[in-house]
Amino acid sequence: AQSVAQPEDQVNVAEGNPLTVKCTYSVSGNPYLFWYVQYPNRGLQFLLKYITGDNLVKGSYGFEAEFNKSQTSFHLKKPSALVSDSALYFCAVRESPGNAGKSTFGDGTTLTVKP
Amino acid sequence: GAVVSQHPSWVICKSGTSVKIECRSLDFQATTMFWYRQFPKQSLMLMATSNEGSKATYEQGVEKDKFLINHASLTLSTLTVTSAHPEDSSFYICSGTSGIIHEQFFGPGTRLTVL
Repeated sequence: AQSVAQPEDQVNVAEGNPLTVKCTYSVSGNPYLFWYVQYPNRGLQFLLKYITGDNLVKGSYGFEAEFNKSQTSFHLKKPSALVSDSALYFCAVRESPGNAGKSTFGDGTTLTVKP
Repeated sequence: GAVVSQHPSWVICKSGTSVKIECRSLDFQATTMFWYRQFPKQSLMLMATSNEGSKATYEQGVEKDKFLINHASLTLSTLTVTSAHPEDSSFYICSGTSGIIHEQFFGPGTRLTVL
């Protein structure tokens, strides 16, 4: 079975400060990990993924995430937050290579960046 | 990234009627499509997984006779909400993926309101 946890419902940061949105996962085998962002009344947009290789992955809009196998974490980070980063963020995990492409999503973390 | 469209973007219907939502992958062949339901400020609830040309696999608790899913081609899946009730009002989101794509590409969502 696969599962993912986003321990924070809400993250608040000031514009220009670094941001971190936390995610931990559980899978039986090797994980495929993803971050998606959702703006109000919109579908989800893919931000970045870890499949294999370097533990630090870079994605869209200046976001990056670090895969930490020992801590089973995949936290999303950005060095300098923008007000426009305010949105709902979802972490997702899929056990590779199986599960027919079905990912398990976290409950989401609302990020608010204040000017 | 790949583009998925949904139509309509919003729909209002009377209780007891049926509503069809279309999900199209515009620039890739979606061998697998997923249908989600999302309540306000809540996570995605996976309703069903459909593979092109075969019957959809429904998640536990989702009524397959009420939420009819058809995945007739590699670029089109439809969700029909039959005999709609006010409690079916929600935001419905589809996504697609293929064997060579690890991430899911989401449609913009359909807001259904049942009066």
